[in-house]
Amino acid sequence: EIVMTQSPATLSVSPGEGATLSCRASQSVHSNLAWYQQKPGQAPRLLIYDASTRATGIPARFSGSGSGTDFTLTISSLQSEDFAVYYCQQCNNWPLTFGGGTKVEIK
Amino acid sequence: EVQLLESGGGLVQPGGSLRLSCGASGLTFSNYIMSWVRQAPGKGLEWVSGISGNGGQTYYAASMQGRFTISRDNSKNTLYLQMHSLRAEDTAVYYCAKGNYYYGPGSYDWWGQGTLVTVSS
Repeated sequence: EIVMTQSPATLSVSPGEGATLSCRASQSVHSNLAWYQQKPGQAPRLLIYDASTRATGIPARFSGSGSGTDFTLTISSLQSEDFAVYYCQQCNNWPLTFGGGTKVEIK
Repeated sequence: EVQLLESGGGLVQPGGSLRLSCGASGLTFSNYIMSWVRQAPGKGLEWVSGISGNGGQTYYAASMQGRFTISRDNSKNTLYLQMHSLRAEDTAVYYCAKGNYYYGPGSYDWWGQGTLVTVSS
């Protein structure tokens, strides 16, 4: 199975600042990678699929990049509603696997 | 708008069985792969199982293979997860999720609110 590793585990950011989250796959997943946002007590929400395509209704401040084994989620200017946990998921092979998550907290 | 509503969670003893259901609306259900994803308390997301649009192909995480069975009834727009030989480590919120495609690995664009399964004596 493909192991997904996210870093850092926690990111402290001030509102209005940018944030960069990383995700690494143990083998190439090409561009078959998704990012999700999860807030406490809520279901995950799809942000990005195919590594760089924003899902419907996702603001332009969220962007994804990368291919192969290394991927990045960038939030250009954090709003209060962006403080949450972010997960990457490889969509290339069964079984599907998620990274351990990055918690973006208020600095 | 797509809606997914899970049910069937609850408290079950170790070694017991439980069947989860997920009712879907607002979509042509048979057109999409569906999966179950779980989240243990305070932990990350763990994919459990997936099923193709017509139900002909099923996929499982290794630790669930042989204990869990995924199925769907497209005439009822409902997804199921039959769980046997439950263990304490199966305690989690179980989410059903709609895939972006008919079959194959992919991302999931709609999620239910989850149903809590607690395995404890």
